[in-house]
Amino acid sequence: DVKVTQSSRYLVKRTGEKVFLECVQDMDHENMFWYRQDPGLGLRLIYFSYDVKMKEKGDIPEGYSVSREKKERFSLILESASTNQTSMYLCASSSLDRDLTGELFFGEGSRLTVL
Amino acid sequence: DQQVKQNSPSLSVQEGRISILNCDYTNSMFDYFLWYKKYPAEGPTFLISISSIKDKNEDGRFTVFLNKSAKHLSLHIVPSQPGDSAVYFCASEDGNTGKLIFGQGTTLQVKP
Repeated sequence: DVKVTQSSRYLVKRTGEKVFLECVQDMDHENMFWYRQDPGLGLRLIYFSYDVKMKEKGDIPEGYSVSREKKERFSLILESASTNQTSMYLCASSSLDRDLTGELFFGEGSRLTVL
Repeated sequence: DQQVKQNSPSLSVQEGRISILNCDYTNSMFDYFLWYKKYPAEGPTFLISISSIKDKNEDGRFTVFLNKSAKHLSLHIVPSQPGDSAVYFCASEDGNTGKLIFGQGTTLQVKP
């Protein structure tokens, strides 16, 4: 069964803390994505990666960075967490196969609360 | 600026009836459209998709219709079941970048 696993389901952090959100996929997918979900705003793309050590900014990259040292792992980093980064964070992966273009496989999400 | 819009935040339907979820987009470069379904405390799961070369795609109880001239797509669920109660996200693929742009989501409640 294919799987995208996010390391933490729930986190509570304080303003200014550094936060790591880890994501691992077992489908050998080339593409990996980080989204955040907020009420009334849907899913917004933070960063994505099409290959190891490669990263591209999404629509809302400010305040975030990412790391992709291995194909199966994509990490989201909040260098200094702020209260407006309280959100549900969703990792996803997809194949480069054109027939599967666009179909994302999501993890279960990590709900981050920044106090 | 919201390129993909789901203007109805919520929809309530009786079991057995049709559910119609709507989605509008603004970018004519979008050439592939998808619907995702999300239950609370779970990640979204892919439901159905349609390419811009088609105007309809059907999969069991789920049908997606695409009206390119109106830049509008809709998801029909017939008959609706209580297990269909979830948040539904419309997404469009930008043909230039390959990125998916999501709408705000519509919460569907199917009442027994």
